[in-house]
Amino acid sequence: DIQMTQSPSTLSASVGDRVTITCRASQSISSWLAWYQQTGGKAPKLLIYKASSLQSGVPSRFSGSGSGTEFILTISSLQPVDFATYYCQQYISYPWTFGQGTKVEIK
Amino acid sequence: EVQLLESGGGLVQPGGSLRLSCAAAGFTFRSYAMTWVRQAPGKGLEWVSAISSGGTTYYADSVKGRFTISRDNSKNTLHLQMNSLRAEDTAVYFCAKEGGMHGDFPSDYWGQGTLVTVSS
Repeated sequence: DIQMTQSPSTLSASVGDRVTITCRASQSISSWLAWYQQTGGKAPKLLIYKASSLQSGVPSRFSGSGSGTEFILTISSLQPVDFATYYCQQYISYPWTFGQGTKVEIK
Repeated sequence: EVQLLESGGGLVQPGGSLRLSCAAAGFTFRSYAMTWVRQAPGKGLEWVSAISSGGTTYYADSVKGRFTISRDNSKNTLHLQMNSLRAEDTAVYFCAKEGGMHGDFPSDYWGQGTLVTVSS
């Protein structure tokens, strides 16, 4: 199975900060990577697919980059509603696998 | 509007069985792959199982041989039959719609989840 590793596990930031989260795959997954946001144990929300494509309705302050084994989620200017946990997921092949999550906290 | 509503969760003893259901509405159910994802208390997301629009099934190693995913396209319903349940299966189980027919697009809509607790 493909292992996904996110860093950091926790990130403390202030409103307006630029935030980056890294996700690494144990083998190449081309661009078959998604990013999700989860708040308070609610259903995850799809933010980014195909590594860099913004899902419909997601604010443009979110962006994704990378290919192969290294990927980055960037929030250009952190807003109060963005304090949440973020997960990457590979979907190049089943079983799909998630990173362990990155919690973005208020500094 | 896409809607996914899980049901069937509850308290079950170790070794017991439970059947989860997910009622889908607002999209052409038969045209999309569907997925189950779970989240243990205080933990991250874990992909559990998927079924393509054509009925091909996939499982995580942790549930293979114990869980069975199925779909009833006539009733727009997804199921997860869970047998030989263990304490480590305790989690909120989310039903999710994939964006494609067969694993080519991630889960774009999710239900609110149903809690499964395995305990004596």
